[in-house]
Amino acid sequence: EDQVTQSPEALRLQEGESSSLNCSYTVSGLRGLFWYRQDPGKGPEFLFTLYSAGEEKEKERLKATLTKKESFLHITAPKPEDSATYLCAVQAWDSNYQLIWGAGTKLIIKP
Amino acid sequence: DAGVTQSPTHLIKTRGQQVTLRCSPKSGHDTVSWYQQALGQGPQFIFQYYEEEERQRGNFPDRFSGHQFPNYSSELNVNALLLGDSALYLCASSAPGQGRKELFFGEGSRLTVL
Repeated sequence: EDQVTQSPEALRLQEGESSSLNCSYTVSGLRGLFWYRQDPGKGPEFLFTLYSAGEEKEKERLKATLTKKESFLHITAPKPEDSATYLCAVQAWDSNYQLIWGAGTKLIIKP
Repeated sequence: DAGVTQSPTHLIKTRGQQVTLRCSPKSGHDTVSWYQQALGQGPQFIFQYYEEEERQRGNFPDRFSGHQFPNYSSELNVNALLLGDSALYLCASSAPGQGRKELFFGEGSRLTVL
């Protein structure tokens, strides 16, 4: 069964304190791995898509990496506006149209 | 360029009632997916519509049904509401063509069942 597990459930950091969020996945054949950001009461906002092990993508203070079993979202020198829930989702080759989601990591950046 | 729009944003229903949620996809997108997100959880796939037909369905009962119109907009209908149907319902659209495609989400419709 395809599955996505994110850790930690919640993470509190001081402004400027770098860290990483983890997304472990089990999927029959990975078509793509997606990272989204979700603010309270809002819909998820697309951040990155990763397709193959070894791939990396960056956007401002965020960098996503992918291995055959997990993905990391690294956040460098975060600011309070980076506070949000970060969701990871996978798409499998044999399930073309749906994403399987993790429960998310709630990130709180304190000034 | 308008993104994905959903209506209503909030609604309250009682058990046994029926509800219809609406979604207009992002301009240029032809595929609409619906997700249910309970508090503190990731979204759960309900179904996807393409060319006015349900293309794939997740593990949701037949009480959940949908429709896609020729202009690509979509509706989600839920009959015989249960307390457990209380959630944020998200509509997502994606661009034409096969392959890996990111989804663009609306702000969601918050349903409360009393």
